[in-house]
Amino acid sequence: DAGVIQSPRHEVTEMGQEVTLRCKPISGHNSLFWYRQTMMRGLELLIYFNNNVPIDDSGMPEDRFSAKMPNASFSTLKIQPSEPRDSAVYFCASSPKERYNEQFFGPGTRLTVL
Amino acid sequence: SQKIEQNSEALNIQEGKTATLTCNYTNYSPAYLQWYRQDPGRGPVFLLLIRENEKEKRKERLKVTFDTTLKQSLFHITASQPADSATYLCAPAGNTPLVFGKGTRLSVIA
Repeated sequence: DAGVIQSPRHEVTEMGQEVTLRCKPISGHNSLFWYRQTMMRGLELLIYFNNNVPIDDSGMPEDRFSAKMPNASFSTLKIQPSEPRDSAVYFCASSPKERYNEQFFGPGTRLTVL
Repeated sequence: SQKIEQNSEALNIQEGKTATLTCNYTNYSPAYLQWYRQDPGRGPVFLLLIRENEKEKRKERLKVTFDTTLKQSLFHITASQPADSATYLCAPAGNTPLVFGKGTRLSVIA
């Protein structure tokens, strides 16, 4: 089993640029979560999907952030325009229907906005 | 708002001893609570889940307790090894998704 796949693993960009983070959940899992982790705030839930439908996006910091899940095997998190305070590690996680809150995390994308 | 406190940011213990990590929560009545392990540069990995009607759960050298009156969970690693060194996150949960604590960084010294 490949586990949750995230790309890119590292992203360095300049302020104002658009950033797109990608996630492939574990096959058969029907819930997908996007998190952001920083030293100051820890691991924060940004948005989660159930059966490709966004359920709760209250953690999305502002309108510059958007997330999509066009099908069961792919999701994106976009930041436009990016700002230095967006620098963090972004994790994608998925979970199976029968164990909804047992989440399987990807390796993360380390984003640096200069 | 929900608040989760893991009241040791870092914990150093000698190899072979029992490590005890604490998780306290407020403004919350979770139906269950999970513990995750996170190694540097990696995503968290699920370890154990304990439900509100369970007082204790064990898995190999790990033991978790859940006291809904005290609003507290204790996570124990017995006979600790240097390989147990990592950050451990607690995450209460219920009808809403997991909310994670900031974690306790455990270092087991040989």
